[in-house]
Amino acid sequence: EVQLVESGGGLVQPGGSLRLSCAASSFTLSSYEMNWVRQAPGKGLEWVSHISDRGTIYYADSVKGRFTISRDNAKNSLYLQLNSLRAEDTAVYYCVRGITGSYFDQWGQGTLVTVST
Amino acid sequence: SYVLTQPPSVSVAPGQTASITCGGNNIGSKSVHWYQQRPGQAPVLVIYYDNDRPSGIPERFSGSNSGITATLTISRVEAGDEADYYCQVWDRSNDLVWVFGGGTKLTVL
Repeated sequence: EVQLVESGGGLVQPGGSLRLSCAASSFTLSSYEMNWVRQAPGKGLEWVSHISDRGTIYYADSVKGRFTISRDNAKNSLYLQLNSLRAEDTAVYYCVRGITGSYFDQWGQGTLVTVST
Repeated sequence: SYVLTQPPSVSVAPGQTASITCGGNNIGSKSVHWYQQRPGQAPVLVIYYDNDRPSGIPERFSGSNSGITATLTISRVEAGDEADYYCQVWDRSNDLVWVFGGGTKLTVL
């Protein structure tokens, strides 16, 4: 069974940093497109970042220059480095497997990031 | 940037048919995907490429896409279908982005 398990969320002050991790099982993460999607409390879904199987990377304008996506093929894991955090970055962050240039077929359960004093 | 517009809420009685729309500029030229999100849970893919169903999704779920509107149709609605539903497309018009609609809360009366 395909599984995506996120970790690393928590409470951080504005301007702070956090690193999210996503451990994949039952498939080879580097063979797929992987994404981070977030959902602010009571709000809708927002795509955040993408890394293709070839390593091509894209970011939403709202996080460009502050967030960095990466992966460790040996650990079969995906990461999201969050820097210069703002209150509006408060959200549940989902690790999501993508099918080439189209839809998201597998979602993790999410990890909550709260940016507050 | 590309915008997808969904009604905030749709209500339907059990056994009836629910239609949830997703509007976008010439959306009929794009592939539309739909997700169901029950309270406190992660989203689940229910329709991909306009009208394909992943394994395990009931035949009651179907989709269509033409012109400026895509539609998710749920036939013979059950109490368990009560959830938020999101449409999504992949937009290549400028930078590559994945766009979601604002979501529709389906209430089963």
